[in-house]
Order: sequence, then structure tokens, then C-alpha cells
Amino acid sequence: DVKVTQSSRYLVKRTGEKVFLECVQDMDHENMFWYRQDPGLGLRLIYFSYDVKMKEKGDIPEGYSVSREKKERFSLILESASTNQTSMYLCASSLGNRVQPQHFGDGTRLSIL
Amino acid sequence: AQTVTQSQPEMSVQEAETVTLSCTYDTSESDYYLFWYKQPPSRQMILVIRQEAYKQQNATENRFSVNFQKAAKSFSLKISDSQLGDAAMYFCAYRRIRNNDMRFGAGTRLTVKP
Repeated sequence: DVKVTQSSRYLVKRTGEKVFLECVQDMDHENMFWYRQDPGLGLRLIYFSYDVKMKEKGDIPEGYSVSREKKERFSLILESASTNQTSMYLCASSLGNRVQPQHFGDGTRLSIL
Repeated sequence: AQTVTQSQPEMSVQEAETVTLSCTYDTSESDYYLFWYKQPPSRQMILVIRQEAYKQQNATENRFSVNFQKAAKSFSLKISDSQLGDAAMYFCAYRRIRNNDMRFGAGTRLTVKP
């Protein structure tokens, strides 16, 4: 069974901390995505990666960075967490020739205090 | 900028009945993709159906079908013979051909009544 695994379901951090959200997929997918999901706003793309070490900014990259050192792992980094980054974060992946995210993780609910 | 609007925050349907979820979008592109995703209470998103804008024929996946009106920029999802397992948050999404920036609507929460 295909899987996108996010390391934490719930995470609580403090303002100013550096936060790492990890995502691993076991399907050898080229594309990986990070979204945040907020009520009334739907999903918004933060960053997208189409290959190892390659990344593209999405709709709301400010305050975030990403790392893709290995094909199966895509990390989202909050350089200095702020309260407005409290949200649900979803990781997704897809094959290189697929235009849409195919598989999503369960999400990480991040609270910044 | 492209935007996707789902005007119905919540909908409900009786089991075995049919329900239609609305979606409109704004774009100046002539070719693009449209999607409906389902997010059950367990939170893992699932792709329900996809439509290429150049195709006039409406996409269908079993009990799920779309009504794609390109001129009106409308992309509604019809669920026939609704089942309890259809209860979820449904998101409409738009994607341009040339990049990977997908835009999602705010979602419609569907309740199915037994």
C-alpha cells in the first residue's frame, strides 16, 4: 500500500523556534508538495519539489524553507516560528508526469504558542 | 491570479439521494486542469475526479460526475446514490498547464443523513 508519512500528527512549538516538519513517501515519486490548510481558505501551496535538490515557491513561501536531499524525503522548515503559522500542514506526492498531487499524508497540526 | 470559489460551506443529502456541489473559478487561461478532492474525517485527501479543460466531455468516475461549463467557468460535482462514506470535506481545485501551483477552494462539508 502506498504511503506518504508525516512524522508528527500534532506538534506544539514556541514563537521564534526553528521547526522541522518531515515527510517521507515510499512510492519513488518525483514530485512532492507542502500545503497548509486553514478553515475558509482551503489548501495553499507553500513549496513544491520536482526532483532531489530542486524546489519551487508556491503561493505562500514567506517564512518557510524546504529541503530535499533524498528523493523520498521532503522537509518543511519554519525558520523562526510565528503564531500566524499555526495551521494544519499537508504533504503530498505524485509521479513526475502527473499534474496533481496523488497521495497525501495524514497532516500535521502545528500550534505555535 | 486564479481563484477558486466554493459558495456552499456546508451541504447535506439523504442517503441514496443525489447532491451537487458547486465550484466556480477565475482564469484567463484557455487550457488548464480542474479537480475535485475528498477529505474524509481521517484527514487523508483523495483525488475524486479530474477534468482537462480542452475536453468537452464531462468526466465521470462511478457515482461521481462533473458538469463542466467552460464559458461560465463552472465545475460542479454531482454525487449520485449518496452513501454514508461520502461524508467528507470536498475541495475543488484548479491548475494551470504550465506550472504546479494548484489553487484550492475553501471546501464544502458534505453530511450524509441515514
